[in-house]
Amino acid sequence: DSGVTQTPKHLITATGQRVTLRCSPRSGDLSVYWYQQSLDQGLQFLIQYYNGEERAKGNILERFSAQQFPDLHSELNLSSLELGDSALYFCASSVEWGALSGNTIYFGEGSWLTVV
Amino acid sequence: GDSVTQMEGPVTLSEEAFLTINCTYTATGYPSLFWYVQYPGEGLQLLLKATKADDKGSNKGFEATYRKETTSFHLEKGSVQVSDSAVYFCALRNTGNQFYFGTGTSLTVIP
Repeated sequence: DSGVTQTPKHLITATGQRVTLRCSPRSGDLSVYWYQQSLDQGLQFLIQYYNGEERAKGNILERFSAQQFPDLHSELNLSSLELGDSALYFCASSVEWGALSGNTIYFGEGSWLTVV
Repeated sequence: GDSVTQMEGPVTLSEEAFLTINCTYTATGYPSLFWYVQYPGEGLQLLLKATKADDKGSNKGFEATYRKETTSFHLEKGSVQVSDSAVYFCALRNTGNQFYFGTGTSLTVIP
């Protein structure tokens, strides 16, 4: 158990709908990352938050948004869903000690999203 | 920009065979390097890491050495088992605390 909790584990929804994925980082971790894993594109970095602020943005679509709350949990909102958004969405967390700390990123078990 | 390139899979080996999965990286400065493993139906788990040049990370019989001169971090295991069947990801963490992952290499070990 990595200590990163994601809900829901599985979700099936229709095209055009909106869903919210939730992540609770490990206790003490200030950074939260979201990744999308699909069969054809591997593991794609979406976005990173640190202590409530957006830190880095990857290949995140405009239909997607995220936020990190004061209690450090994070939500990934996916709207106007398309069939191609079906994927496994991972949340990960880390403690940001500094550049040379060898800080490790810990992953949750993922949320399986199926868009039908 | 920073990136990780790892060998394409899938890789199929017989039990007790020697495993090498190649990984090279591009990064400015001195990144930390990681190998993660993903078993079927699970999230990624840290397998091993190295934080500076010439460091060797090791865990569960797997090893990887941080080679700055060749910008590589190849994963090796002397004798694989069926239970090692999984997808392996090479990753780096740069000085901005951003993580970059390779595309993953699927390993299947047959008895």
